[in-house]
Amino acid sequence: DAGVIQSPRHEVTEMGQEVTLRCKPISGHNSLFWYRQTMMRGLELLIYFNNNVPIDDSGMPEDRFSAKMPNASFSTLKIQPSEPRDSAVYFCASSGGQSSYEQYFGPGTRLTVT
Amino acid sequence: GESVGLHLPTLSVQEGDNSIINCAYSNSASDYFIWYKQESGKGPQFIIDIRSNMDKRQGQRVTVLLNKTVKHLSLQIAATQPGDSAVYFCAENTSDYKLSFGAGTTVTVRA
Repeated sequence: DAGVIQSPRHEVTEMGQEVTLRCKPISGHNSLFWYRQTMMRGLELLIYFNNNVPIDDSGMPEDRFSAKMPNASFSTLKIQPSEPRDSAVYFCASSGGQSSYEQYFGPGTRLTVT
Repeated sequence: GESVGLHLPTLSVQEGDNSIINCAYSNSASDYFIWYKQESGKGPQFIIDIRSNMDKRQGQRVTVLLNKTVKHLSLQIAATQPGDSAVYFCAENTSDYKLSFGAGTTVTVRA
């Protein structure tokens, strides 16, 4: 099992640019989560999908953030336009195997916006 | 070594000693709790979980204790090793498979 796959692992971009983060959940999992982690705010849930449908996006900071899950094996988190305060590590996690509540995290994408 | 709640986010422990990491959760309706370990540069990794109908669960070198009366969760690590150095998060299931994470406790193992 390859686990949750995220790309890119590192992203450095200039303020105002569009950033797209990608996630491939574990095969067979039906829930997918996007988190943001910073020193100041810890681990924050941004959005949660179940069976490819967004269930709760109350954690998405503002309209500059959007997430999609076109199929069960792929999701994207897009920031447009990016700002320096978006700099963080973004994690994707999936769940839904035998232990439905246990979330499996990917390695994260470290985003730096200059 | 022992940490209390989320107000003491660091724990230094001598190699070979037992570690106790504490966590206060907020939702009395939470029915499932998980401890995660996050090493530098990696995503959180599952350590052990416990359901609200239990008060203790043991794994390999780890034990989780749940006290629902005071909404307190603890993780005990036996014979702490250098590889145990990491940030440890408790998480509670709040609703619809969503987990709410604590701030984390940084554990440093002294050789």
